[in-house]
Amino acid sequence: DSGVTQTPKHLITATGQRVTLRCSPRSGDLSVYWYQQSLDQGLQFLIQYYNGEERAKGNILERFSAQQFPDLHSELNLSSLELGDSALYFCASSPGDRGDIQYFGAGTRLSVL
Amino acid sequence: GESVGLHLPTLSVQEGDNSIINCAYSNSASDYFIWYKQESGKGPQFIIDIRSNMDKRQGQRVTVLLNKTVKHLSLQIAATQPGDSAVYFCAENFWGSQGNLIFGKGTKLSVKP
Repeated sequence: DSGVTQTPKHLITATGQRVTLRCSPRSGDLSVYWYQQSLDQGLQFLIQYYNGEERAKGNILERFSAQQFPDLHSELNLSSLELGDSALYFCASSPGDRGDIQYFGAGTRLSVL
Repeated sequence: GESVGLHLPTLSVQEGDNSIINCAYSNSASDYFIWYKQESGKGPQFIIDIRSNMDKRQGQRVTVLLNKTVKHLSLQIAATQPGDSAVYFCAENFWGSQGNLIFGKGTKLSVKP
């Protein structure tokens, strides 16, 4: 168990809908990272938050957004969903803002039908 | 179980043999590297890390070698066991960049009993 908790484990929804994925980092970790893993793209970085503030942005679509709350948990919001958004979404956490081991949660499998 | 990639390089080894998984990283400025193991249906699990001021680092049954001249990482697993069967990813991070990791495509290790 990595100590990173993600909910829900599975999510099935329809095109055009909006979903929220939740992540609780390891105790004491200030950074939360979101990654997308699809069959043909591997693990792609989406966004990083450090102590409540956005720290880095990767290939995140404008339809996607995230935030980190004062208790350090994070949410990834995906809207206007398309079939191609079907993927595994992972959250990771680390103590600092870079150069640390990132510990991953078990992921949320999103299926857009 | 679910597949994390359709076209991953595959390494097939006999139980008890040593395994060597290779990775070419992309940025000569990268100064921190991590190997992750991902089993079917799970999130990436930290195995071992190495910083750019080292050439070699050993863990329990695993060794990582770093060759900065040719931008190459390798993961050696001694006495490979069936439980080692998984997809292995290398990841890099470079100073001056953001905190996110850049992941390689992954190698699927299959251990034959």
